[in-house]
Amino acid sequence: AQSVAQPEDQVNVAEGNPLTVKCTYSVSGNPYLFWYVQYPNRGLQFLLKYITGDNLVKGSYGFEAEFNKSQTSFHLKKPSALVSDSALYFCAVRDWGGNTPLVFGKGTRLSVIA
Amino acid sequence: DAGVIQSPRHEVTEMGQEVTLRCKPISGHDYLFWYRQTMMRGLELLIYFNNNVPIDDSGMPEDRFSAKMPNASFSTLKIQPSEPRDSAVYFCASRESGGASGYTFGSGTRLTVV
Repeated sequence: AQSVAQPEDQVNVAEGNPLTVKCTYSVSGNPYLFWYVQYPNRGLQFLLKYITGDNLVKGSYGFEAEFNKSQTSFHLKKPSALVSDSALYFCAVRDWGGNTPLVFGKGTRLSVIA
Repeated sequence: DAGVIQSPRHEVTEMGQEVTLRCKPISGHDYLFWYRQTMMRGLELLIYFNNNVPIDDSGMPEDRFSAKMPNASFSTLKIQPSEPRDSAVYFCASRESGGASGYTFGSGTRLTVV
């Protein structure tokens, strides 16, 4: 079975500081990993994904994520947070093995304070 | 491409009434997903289709919920009769074949049952 954990419901960070949103996963084989962002009254938007290759993945809006197989983690990071980054962030996983749906985490609300 | 298009954006209805939510996926996408988002439960997968065929409807909460995909460019989610606890934001998403493909979400339908 596939699962995703986002251990923090809320993350607060000051503008200009680095931010990290945590994600750990569980799959039976190798994972496809995704991050999505949801702004108020909007649908989820794709940020980045890890399929294979370089463990550091760069995505939209200056975000990046690091795949760590030994820790089964895929934390989202940004070197310098903006107030406009405030949103709800979802991590998702799917096993390479089949065409099963993505399994989403519960989401982490990021607040960037000016 | 205009993306995944959902209608209506907002729906307010009285308890007991029938509600129909609509979705037009991205052309060429083989998979279509219906999700429900609430504060309490987060993002829940209700049902998904592959090539217009329902694959897994185990997330549909009750027999009051039904979904159809009569062709590759249109899907509906129907609730009959509606209840106040059905109030939520309903999202449609689509993706191409291939496990590495991410989802494209629509903007959602905010349903309020009074």
